[in-house]
Amino acid sequence: EVQLVESGGGVVRPGGSLRLSCAASGFTFHDYGMSWVRQAPGKGLEWVSGINWSGERTSYADSVKGRFTISRDNAKNSLYLQMKSVRDEDTALYYCARDPDSLGFDPWGQGTLVIVSS
Amino acid sequence: EIVLTQSPATLSLSPGERATLSCRASQSVSSSLAWYQQKPGQVPRLLIYDASNRATGIPARFSGSGSGTDFTLTISSLEPEDFAVYFCQQRTHWPRTFGGGTKVEIK
Repeated sequence: EVQLVESGGGVVRPGGSLRLSCAASGFTFHDYGMSWVRQAPGKGLEWVSGINWSGERTSYADSVKGRFTISRDNAKNSLYLQMKSVRDEDTALYYCARDPDSLGFDPWGQGTLVIVSS
Repeated sequence: EIVLTQSPATLSLSPGERATLSCRASQSVSSSLAWYQQKPGQVPRLLIYDASNRATGIPARFSGSGSGTDFTLTISSLEPEDFAVYFCQQRTHWPRTFGGGTKVEIK
């Protein structure tokens, strides 16, 4: 079964840091690009960051550029999102998703909740 | 950054009716557009990719059309389980932006 499981969410103070992880299974991880998408409570979907299969190419939404870093470890079938200098507006459910060159985001993980609060 | 505008924001329909959802891009995305369905408390589900191709397991009542800047998701006859929020997403470039969503609610 193709599966993505996020972890690492929690409560963090404004200006703090947090590292999210996404464990992949059931498919050849290093064949696919991956992305992080977030959803603030009651809001729509916001693409946060993406990385290609090798990790050589990355991209970020303007809202997180310079603060968040995406990375992957193909040997561990894992995707990461390092979050720094977090702000109130970063509060959201963070999903990882498989992001192939064609098709669409599929599957998605169940998400990990990040709450930025003092 | 490519901006996607979805309309209407809310669509109030009855089961059995036809739903037509629109997604307009600020610049051409060719056919690189996907549609997702999200029900309350659930993870988004891929419905349509490359503008008109149904994802695995998606019923035939869902169809997508369009290219360039104007796209449509059509649900031919609404089933009770189709009342949800629908998002479009462009996949031509990074950032892979989403539209703001259309909520299909029961009238």
